Amino acid sequence: QSALTQPASVSGSPGQSITISCTGTSGDIGRYKFVSWYQHHPGKAPKLMIYDVSTRPSGVSNRFSGSKSGNTASLTISGLQAEDEAEYYCSSHTSSSTRVFGTGTTVTVL
Amino acid sequence: EVQLVESGGGLVQPGGSLRLSCAASGFTFSSDWMHWVRQAPGKGLVWVSRINSDGSMTSYADSVKGRFTISRDNAKNTLYLQMNSLRAEDTAVYYCASGLPLDYWGQGTLVTVSS
Repeated sequence: QSALTQPASVSGSPGQSITISCTGTSGDIGRYKFVSWYQHHPGKAPKLMIYDVSTRPSGVSNRFSGSKSGNTASLTISGLQAEDEAEYYCSSHTSSSTRVFGTGTTVTVL
Repeated sequence: EVQLVESGGGLVQPGGSLRLSCAASGFTFSSDWMHWVRQAPGKGLVWVSRINSDGSMTSYADSVKGRFTISRDNAKNTLYLQMNSLRAEDTAVYYCASGLPLDYWGQGTLVTVSS
């Protein structure tokens, strides 16, 4: 149950687009469509941003989008805003019927 | 409004036990999978355990298997995590989360394992 691999940090200027990658294996991301992304501000409850690879829950801005290719999933934030500064985690269902999270990515708005 | 409120955290000695609770409201608790996720100080989120809607199916991360037990009481809309043989590395904020995917989360409860 190794954590999915994410870059430690990604930054961008307001209005720009950034993409966070999440690399797993053929036993998790590569096998299932059950990939989700969470936004976590320190001291707050994590928030679901994307589920089933690319579906946005009601109320989540359409500036957030998700995709998957092979064993790697990606989260793109377009039109970057100051409020997007947070930690982001990917997560996937696994072939062991467990769940695994990514290592986390700190998004900084310059 | 969906609410998940964790309780039961605190300071416990290595080898000790603790039971966490998660009180749920604002949704049909008895229809949803539930999870526990933890975050050690300065570290990332780590999935701990999950249980299906009627409690008949459970799964655990390898790091807690055999020591932690997840359960639920649908009549009380409450999720539990019984933690035994606690280790220093179990020190973390423990979150409960609902659904597949984990669509709602509580604010967490801090567990500190230290002598």
